[in-house]
Amino acid sequence: GENVEQHPSTLSVQEGDSAVIKCTYSDSASNYFPWYKQELGKRPQLIIDIRSNVGEKKDQRIAVTLNKTAKHFSLHITETQPEDSAVYFCATINDYKLSFGAGTTVTVRA
Amino acid sequence: GAGVSQSPSNKVTEKGKDVELRCDPISGHTALYWYRQSLGQGLEFLIYFQGNSAPDKSGLPSDRFSAERTGGSVSTLTIQRTQQEDSAVYLCASRVGGAPETQYFGPGTRLLVL
Repeated sequence: GENVEQHPSTLSVQEGDSAVIKCTYSDSASNYFPWYKQELGKRPQLIIDIRSNVGEKKDQRIAVTLNKTAKHFSLHITETQPEDSAVYFCATINDYKLSFGAGTTVTVRA
Repeated sequence: GAGVSQSPSNKVTEKGKDVELRCDPISGHTALYWYRQSLGQGLEFLIYFQGNSAPDKSGLPSDRFSAERTGGSVSTLTIQRTQQEDSAVYLCASRVGGAPETQYFGPGTRLLVL
């Protein structure tokens, strides 16, 4: 099955700085790469996704990049704010099944 | 519109008891998934439904776990003879059967086995 590795497991940044989370995957057939944000005690919420025919996608302060050759993709959050503090999960999909990374706990220091 | 809903939101049970967890997917979503999330951990896939069929049950941890889906809508996850290690948040997600692939999660059921 798919193996998704996510780094770092924890990330502390100063408010206003950028945060970067990286994921690698093993299955070259994976073609869809979503990122979920989970606040404490809440459900995971999709924040951005990218498909295999696109190298980069931006939505306001968040962006995702994909390198299919190297099988890695990254989430970039710029100008971080306290409300960005959460656990972030990357995932890949092959056919119907999502495989998730272990998560990154992001803490934004005021 | 209404999102994925789950009930109960919290469940405390005694070891050895059976529990049933319910998921109401978004209307029209043919694909439904169950995941388990232990404290501070990632999401562990349990089972996938397409319509009322479960073509992938590979994540169910033991034969104490079972799930069904009726009418292509509501799904129930049943845990028999609960053990303390079953304590976790059980999340349900649904999506349209084809593209897009986006899964929408329910709020989860927090299960505590004493």
